[in-house]
Amino acid sequence: EVQLVESGGGLVQPGGSLRLSCAASGFTFSNYEMNWARQAPGKGLEWVSYISSSGTTVYYADSVKDRFTISRDNAKNSLYLQTNSLKAEDTAVYYCAREIGVAGSDAFDIWGQGTMVTVSS
Amino acid sequence: DIQMTQSPSSLSASVGDRVTITCRASQSISRYLNWYQQKPGKAPKLLIYGASTLQSEVPSRFSGSGSGTDFILTISSLQPEDFATYFCQQGYSPPRTFGQGTKVEIK
Repeated sequence: EVQLVESGGGLVQPGGSLRLSCAASGFTFSNYEMNWARQAPGKGLEWVSYISSSGTTVYYADSVKDRFTISRDNAKNSLYLQTNSLKAEDTAVYYCAREIGVAGSDAFDIWGQGTMVTVSS
Repeated sequence: DIQMTQSPSSLSASVGDRVTITCRASQSISRYLNWYQQKPGKAPKLLIYGASTLQSEVPSRFSGSGSGTDFILTISSLQPEDFATYFCQQGYSPPRTFGQGTKVEIK
């Protein structure tokens, strides 16, 4: 079964850090570009970060640039998001998502169940 | 960045109704538009990619159309399991921006 499973979320104080992980199974992880997206409570989806299949190209949303770092370990079939200098507005469910290029459109076809990050004192 | 604007933000409809949701991009994105369905407490699910191609196992009552800047998601006959929030997303260039969502509620 193709699956993504996130972990690493929790309660953290403002200014703190968390490392989110996403374990992939059921497909050849190293062949796929990956993304992180998030959803604040009761809000819409916000794309957070992208990483190419090899890990050499990354992109970030302006809201997290210079604070978050995306990485991957293809040998371990794992995706990571290091989140530093966390703010209250970073409180959200964080999803990892597999990206596919279909009909010329890059879409997220597989999503994890999400991991909740709460930033509060 | 490309901005995506959906309308309406919410709608009420009955089972069997035809429902349309609009998504507008701030610049032309050709047909690089995707639609997702999200139910409460669940991850989003890809419904349509490339503006009009149904993802595997998505019922044929869902359809998508449009190109350039204006796109439409249509549910031809609303079913109980379709009450959810729908998001559009541009697949043209990074960042992969989403629309703000349209919540489809039971009338």
